[in-house]
Amino acid sequence: GNSVTQMEGPVTLSEEAFLTINCTYTATGYPSLFWYVQYPGEGLQLLLKATKADDKGSNKGFEATYRKETTSFHLEKGSVQVSDSAVYFCALSDRNGQNFVFGPGTRLSVLP
Amino acid sequence: GAGVSQSPSNKVTEKGKDVELRCDPISGHTALYWYRQSLGQGLEFLIYFQGNSAPDKSGLPSDRFSAERTGGSVSTLTIQRTQQEDSAVYLCASSSWTSGTYNEQFFGPGTRLTVL
Repeated sequence: GNSVTQMEGPVTLSEEAFLTINCTYTATGYPSLFWYVQYPGEGLQLLLKATKADDKGSNKGFEATYRKETTSFHLEKGSVQVSDSAVYFCALSDRNGQNFVFGPGTRLSVLP
Repeated sequence: GAGVSQSPSNKVTEKGKDVELRCDPISGHTALYWYRQSLGQGLEFLIYFQGNSAPDKSGLPSDRFSAERTGGSVSTLTIQRTQQEDSAVYLCASSSWTSGTYNEQFFGPGTRLTVL
């Protein structure tokens, strides 16, 4: 079945550092890929998504590129802020948006 | 417009008791999902409702868990004879259907269940 693997946390960075959170997936066909974020005390919310190979999703300075050849969707940000401290979940769904699978989440702490 | 709401926000119960958790999806969203998030763990899929179709119950961990969705809107997740390992945050999400594809999921704030 489909699965998502992401780097284990916690990840601790200083403000303005470069962030990469790795995500790889296993899926049949051509899934859609997502990053969700859960800020402290809040519910999950969509951060960005990509629905086909080579698409780049971006939002709030975060980016991720759908790499079919490496089955990856790594999350990157050039300069993190304290307010980016949260848990980040990589996820996929099949082409019609069903069968969502979430990764275990990566906790990011950004220190001032 | 209102987002996904869940109630109660917190529930403490004794082992062996039954609990009901409620989810109000975004109006017009035809898909509704329940997940469980244990401490330090990722999201565990429980059950999925799509319109009037039979729900996908493949993620329910045991027959103590059941869910209903009345009138295609509000959903109730019921856990019978609760066990301590049921303690977790139960999340509900909904999504809309556009041009043959379900869009992103919108999550509620969750219900934190503690079984003593």
